Amino acid sequence: DTGVSQNPRHKITKRGQNVTFRCDPISEHNRLYWYRQTLGQGPEFLTYFQNEAQLEKSRLLSDRFSAERPKGSFSTLEIQRTEQGDSAMYLCASTTLGKQETQYFGPGTRLLVL
Amino acid sequence: DAKTTQPPSMDCAEGRAANLPCNHSTISGNEYVYWYRQIHSQGPQYIIHGLKNNETNEMASLIITEDRKSSTLILPHATLRDTAVYYCIVKETSGSRLTFGEGTQLTVNP
Repeated sequence: DTGVSQNPRHKITKRGQNVTFRCDPISEHNRLYWYRQTLGQGPEFLTYFQNEAQLEKSRLLSDRFSAERPKGSFSTLEIQRTEQGDSAMYLCASTTLGKQETQYFGPGTRLLVL
Repeated sequence: DAKTTQPPSMDCAEGRAANLPCNHSTISGNEYVYWYRQIHSQGPQYIIHGLKNNETNEMASLIITEDRKSSTLILPHATLRDTAVYYCIVKETSGSRLTFGEGTQLTVNP
């Protein structure tokens, strides 16, 4: 257990529905990352926050995806109008801004879009 | 971030040392070498990282060549629970994202 928690752990939804995932980082960590991992591939970067500011977004993050970190603590990732191609593991990681930024990952949320 | 190359798979006998190689020939001076592993259906787990000196912690040792173009992760006494995909990643000291490749599937056999 790294101290990063994610909820829910599993989500099954029908195509076209909206889903929201939550990540609670390690309490003193001010950077929070979202990654997506499809079967057989390594995780791919989606976006990251420093405190409440979203500093970078990947081209993978289409208009249907939105992420927030309203108070610089927990973060949510919402996918609107889900598609079957959104089926993946969504991973959250956190770290502290500094010279050596080791990212610690949560257990992930596995999404299946039917 | 520099690209890394790892063998797709390796086998190791339980109790023996597992030596996982990684090539990062385009690494620059301010980039660290990080190792993570991912056991099936779990989030990636941080193992170790280093800049140019060899590093050791309770999980593993990291040997970086003098020219920093390659490194080896050593699990001194592999157990069945070490079966996982191991990722070698090069990242700038204050860089943001981790760029994962396909990693090495290590299988520890009884």
